[in-house]
Amino acid sequence: QKEVEQNSGPLSVPEGAIASLNCTYSDRGSQSFFWYRQYSGKSPELIMFIYSNGDKEDGRFTAQLNKASQYVSLLIRDSQPSDSATYLCAVENDMRFGAGTRLTVKP
Amino acid sequence: GAVVSQHPSWVICKSGTSVKIECRSLDFQATTMFWYRQFPKQSLMLMATSNEGSKATYEQGVEKDKFLINHASLTLSTLTVTSAHPEDSSFYICSAPGLRTEAFFGQGTRLTVV
Repeated sequence: QKEVEQNSGPLSVPEGAIASLNCTYSDRGSQSFFWYRQYSGKSPELIMFIYSNGDKEDGRFTAQLNKASQYVSLLIRDSQPSDSATYLCAVENDMRFGAGTRLTVKP
Repeated sequence: GAVVSQHPSWVICKSGTSVKIECRSLDFQATTMFWYRQFPKQSLMLMATSNEGSKATYEQGVEKDKFLINHASLTLSTLTVTSAHPEDSSFYICSAPGLRTEAFFGQGTRLTVV
């Protein structure tokens, strides 16, 4: 069975700092990777997806993929209190999620 | 983007009764629907995958006779929690894979069994 591992945190950063979230996966053949954000009591919402090695930037968010090391990360620059949520990593479209990392951005 | 409408958003039921949760794809055809359960402060746990016109595939440890899934059309999948007990109280979420393989989630259903 494919495994997706995340540090469950909690991760706390001050407002304006960079938050770094990491995810590792077991299936070397995986091709597509997704980061979702979930606020308490709400459904997850897609933040970014990445298919190729390297970095992909979208506004304050950067996804980084390293297939050789089998990890994918999400960087949030200029963190805001509204970024406080649980961030879920998903691999491929069988939609199995990591445990999620709870992020708190303190004003 | 694609929309998946899930209802009810919350439901309270008595122990021993059954509850049906519906997920509809509003502007696309969902041949597959994923059903998840999430307990407080825990991750999404995939319960089963429903496929239009065929039997659902259940994850290990999920009782198929207790969690009945029906995917009778390309726009509707339902999850029925039968003979609900307090330990079934949870947040249930459906999602449908999109064209680029990302998932479109329903709003979720908060089930409380008393």
